Amino acid sequence: DAKTTQPNSMESNEEEPVHLPCNHSTISGTDYIHWYRQLPSQGPEYVIHGLTSNVNNRMASLAIAEDRKSSTLILHRATLRDAAVYYCIPLEGAQKLVFGQGTRLTINP
Amino acid sequence: EPEVTQTPSHQVTQMGQEVILRCVPISNHLYFYWYRQILGQKVEFLVSFYNNEISEKSEIFDDQFSVERPDGSNFTLKIRSTKLEDSAMYFCASRGQGGNTEAFFGQGTRLTVV
Repeated sequence: DAKTTQPNSMESNEEEPVHLPCNHSTISGTDYIHWYRQLPSQGPEYVIHGLTSNVNNRMASLAIAEDRKSSTLILHRATLRDAAVYYCIPLEGAQKLVFGQGTRLTINP
Repeated sequence: EPEVTQTPSHQVTQMGQEVILRCVPISNHLYFYWYRQILGQKVEFLVSFYNNEISEKSEIFDDQFSVERPDGSNFTLKIRSTKLEDSAMYFCASRGQGGNTEAFFGQGTRLTVV
């Protein structure tokens, strides 16, 4: 399993962009980079994933470094409902997701 | 949107009793997982299940734990003789095939062993 490093916590203000970084320097060439989040008292929830190119969906954008050793999850306009723990997880094939400590995101009104 | 459902949402049991946690994964998914999360701690992998057998299990998943997919739709986790330290949230998840597929998690069962 590839090792990931994320800041323990981050704070932002409502309606401002948030950039959540993740280092995954031991990622293999075939691992996808997945991001999940866990809102308070809920199960983990898929956010976005990518392989090499940057990706956008209705929830967020994912910027992947050219060498794939790091990625950044971008929430374009954070809301209070985005307060959660965010996890980046390299994932290949049928592998299980391995959750680290993640980044606890606090959104200030 | 497809969803994974888990029942019950909360279960209280006496130490030493058997419990069965139930999950209905997404119907066309191939991989099924159980995770647990002790209060205030990270989400921990327990077991993965593919093609009607366990494909991987963690050190936590000892002889007291078992999983079953009895009827092609339900996916169950059984704890034979519960201990106080089994108190946790238990999450079921399912995925399609390949690293390009997202995992869907249920809302969890809160197990309290007294």
